[in-house]
Amino acid sequence: KAGVTQTPRYLIKTRGQQVTLSCSPISGHRSVSWYQQTPGQGLQFLFEYFSETQRNKGNFPGRFSGRQFSNSRSEMNVSTLELGDSALYLCASSPGQTWGGELFFGEGSRLTVL
Amino acid sequence: QQQVKQSPQSLIVQKGGISIINCAYENTAFDYFPWYQQFPGKGPALLIAIRPDVSEKKEGRFTISFNKSAKQFSLHIMDSQPGDSATYFCARGSSGSARQLTFGSGTQLTVLP
Repeated sequence: KAGVTQTPRYLIKTRGQQVTLSCSPISGHRSVSWYQQTPGQGLQFLFEYFSETQRNKGNFPGRFSGRQFSNSRSEMNVSTLELGDSALYLCASSPGQTWGGELFFGEGSRLTVL
Repeated sequence: QQQVKQSPQSLIVQKGGISIINCAYENTAFDYFPWYQQFPGKGPALLIAIRPDVSEKKEGRFTISFNKSAKQFSLHIMDSQPGDSATYFCARGSSGSARQLTFGSGTQLTVLP
């Protein structure tokens, strides 16, 4: 079974631009979460989607948004990029109705903002 | 803000030794306490998870112990190997409607050959 796929893997943007990151979850997984990873703040929760509905959102400004499609694929968007948005953005999926704390992460999209 | 405090930040162990990473949390309103392992250039991968009604769980060389009264849980890696060199994160999560994990700050483990 294929793992979580994230595209693009690397991208460079300049301040003020916007970016869209894509995530394809493991087949059959209906929950998709996004996390931001930086050396200073570690792994921080952005949001989680289940069956196209955002169920929870972390403490990030409104410039960070996301969505999930009917095939469970997800995108996240960051508008008006700031230098501090440079990070590894990780997508994770999880299966079924019950959950035991397991998330299956992709390899991430590394965003550099210049 | 609910946090998970993880220590040490870095750890160097000789091959064959025991690696011990500790985490502390602030309240018990969480159902799962998983540990994740991350290699450079890769996303985190689940190692092992424990519920607070279990005091210890072992999978191979990896053991989680949970001390509910002290609000602490720890990861022990027995017979540490150079291939175990990675960053380890503890986390806490709830079985509520949203699947959100709050992670510790991570421990960079180096196992010397």
